[in-house]
Amino acid sequence: EPEVTQTPSHQVTQMGQEVILRCVPISNHLYFYWYRQILGQKVEFLVSFYNNEISEKSEIFDDQFSVERPDGSNFTLKIRSTKLEDSAMYFCASSEGAGPSGNQPQHFGDGTRLSIL
Amino acid sequence: GIQVEQSPPDLILQEGANSTLRCNFSDSVNNLQWFHQNPWGQLINLFYIPSGTKQNGRLSATTVATERYSLLYISSSQTTDSGVYFCAVVASGTYKYIFGTGTRLKVLA
Repeated sequence: EPEVTQTPSHQVTQMGQEVILRCVPISNHLYFYWYRQILGQKVEFLVSFYNNEISEKSEIFDDQFSVERPDGSNFTLKIRSTKLEDSAMYFCASSEGAGPSGNQPQHFGDGTRLSIL
Repeated sequence: GIQVEQSPPDLILQEGANSTLRCNFSDSVNNLQWFHQNPWGQLINLFYIPSGTKQNGRLSATTVATERYSLLYISSSQTTDSGVYFCAVVASGTYKYIFGTGTRLKVLA
């Protein structure tokens, strides 16, 4: 069964540094998402992306964050000037359809655990 | 925004016991999924169930969208069922999943 692949599985970064989290969504999927989960808390939505633009974002997704689909297969989340509170598990997800196009299940990757020192 | 509440927050079972986990949501939804988060943090999809009933082995789920709840049934529980169970919903007109706070299940041998 096709999977969403995330790399790296664990990233350790010094506070203030930039970090890029990478995801390869399922190949025929058109909608892409990032979520995060701070240790011990519930999973929170960050951003959804369709047709090379952001379709929805949460209040967490401020100017520190950006997303990109650089080459037709990868989907990246960039966090600039990382802070201690950015430490979390970050999940990428993808779906065939969403919203007005018809909702489909979201398939989640295994996550990247980001630790900010 | 939509609120998603899960109950109970914590559950301890003896191996072999059955359980029912509940997810209530405050508004109409287009999508609903149940996930199991294992000790390594992976989110394992259990069911995509915006309405109706599905079964997969020892697990089954029912969503009554008109009454705004979903139930996850675990029968003959095993120690490997331990972890946190999340339901997640997509409210009408949005793209994003809103996750519940989860039910932490511990199955004792």
